[in-house]
Amino acid sequence: GAVVSQHPSRVICKSGTSVKIECRSLDFQATTMFWYRQFPKQSLMLMATSNEGSKATYEQGVEKDKFLINHASLTLSTLTVTSAHPEDSSFYICSAILANAQDEQFFGPGTRLTVL
Amino acid sequence: QKEVEQDPGPLSVPEGAIVSLNCTYSNSAFQYFMWYRQYSRKGPELLMYTYSSGNKEDGRFTAQVDKSSKYISLFIRDSQPSDSATYLCAMTLTNAGKSTFGDGTTLTVKP
Repeated sequence: GAVVSQHPSRVICKSGTSVKIECRSLDFQATTMFWYRQFPKQSLMLMATSNEGSKATYEQGVEKDKFLINHASLTLSTLTVTSAHPEDSSFYICSAILANAQDEQFFGPGTRLTVL
Repeated sequence: QKEVEQDPGPLSVPEGAIVSLNCTYSNSAFQYFMWYRQYSRKGPELLMYTYSSGNKEDGRFTAQVDKSSKYISLFIRDSQPSDSATYLCAMTLTNAGKSTFGDGTTLTVKP
């Protein structure tokens, strides 16, 4: 299947700092990528839909000024958590759509963010 | 009420058992149905992808969709300890659309 990578896999930062997470589709071009957040023992909650070359579409309740998304190329989307706080600590997962007959969605391995 | 309901379990079965995992949903417009497996501290891995009603089989896994009842199932035959994971159902309205996930069912297969 198609491969999606995320970097870093784990990050620990101090409160008030900004953290950038990269999501890459390694062997295919992805016009659409999704960013999810997953708290322990909970399901994935969609944060935003990222389309290459255009502004991201954020879900209700997600602050776009806090979670900056950039989808500059067909293989890379970035999520920047600005002025991170302990409550932003979570597992952040991206996914990318493989544009074929079924438009399958493939997930990255996730990035665990811990804000001290 | 959540759009997608999934029993969180936990579910524990002996090795070799048949496992049945289920989700119900409320939005009859959903057309694409997926099952993902997620190991601890890892991203979800797509297991099955089904369009509309019917059955789909892949090895030990069978996915069933009953749109009239708004009910989907994943069956795992001859379950193995390596199947121990959280299983998430998901569904979308359109191709390449955003997915709505169930809360996941945690499965443990005991040797």
